[in-house]
Amino acid sequence: EDQVTQSPEALRLQEGESSSLNCSYTVSGLRGLFWYRQDPGKGPEFLFTLYSAGEEKEKERLKATLTKKESFLHITAPKPEDSATYLCAVQASKTDKLIFGTGTRLQVFP
Amino acid sequence: GAVVSQHPSWVICKSGTSVKIECRSLDFQATTMFWYRQFPKQSLMLMATSNEGSKATYEQGVEKDKFLINHASLTLSTLTVTSAHPEDSSFYICSARHRDSSSYEQYFGPGTRLTVT
Repeated sequence: EDQVTQSPEALRLQEGESSSLNCSYTVSGLRGLFWYRQDPGKGPEFLFTLYSAGEEKEKERLKATLTKKESFLHITAPKPEDSATYLCAVQASKTDKLIFGTGTRLQVFP
Repeated sequence: GAVVSQHPSWVICKSGTSVKIECRSLDFQATTMFWYRQFPKQSLMLMATSNEGSKATYEQGVEKDKFLINHASLTLSTLTVTSAHPEDSSFYICSARHRDSSSYEQYFGPGTRLTVT
């Protein structure tokens, strides 16, 4: 069964304190792994797609990496505006469906 | 680019009535749209996948006669919650996949908060 597990559930950081969020997955043939950001009461905002092990993508203070079993979202020198829930999702080959993890709720304090 | 809108953003209805939620892709055409439900502090659960011009595919446990989905054009899908009950209160979010994209990203709408009293 396709499954996504994210850790930690919640993370509190001081502004400028870098850290990483983990997304472990099992999937029958990975078509893509997706990272989204979700603010309270809003829909998810697309961040990255990773397709193969070894791939990395960056956007501002965020960097996503992928191995055959997990993905990391690295946050460098976070700011309070980075506070949000970060969702990881996988798409198995031959399907359009996304399987979401439960997310990591990030709070960055000034 | 890749903007998806939903209407209404929130709705309150009485038990037993029906509610329609619209999902539009504003700057792209979407052959496939998806409907999700999200309960407080939980992740997104896929309800159904809708393809333009054909019947929606519902996930296991989702009542197709209760949650009616219509995808009449490449930019519009609607979800109608029929005979709503308080347990249907939730945050409903749609997403769309770009018709011409070789990638598989789904772009999400802002969500609709449904409260059934």
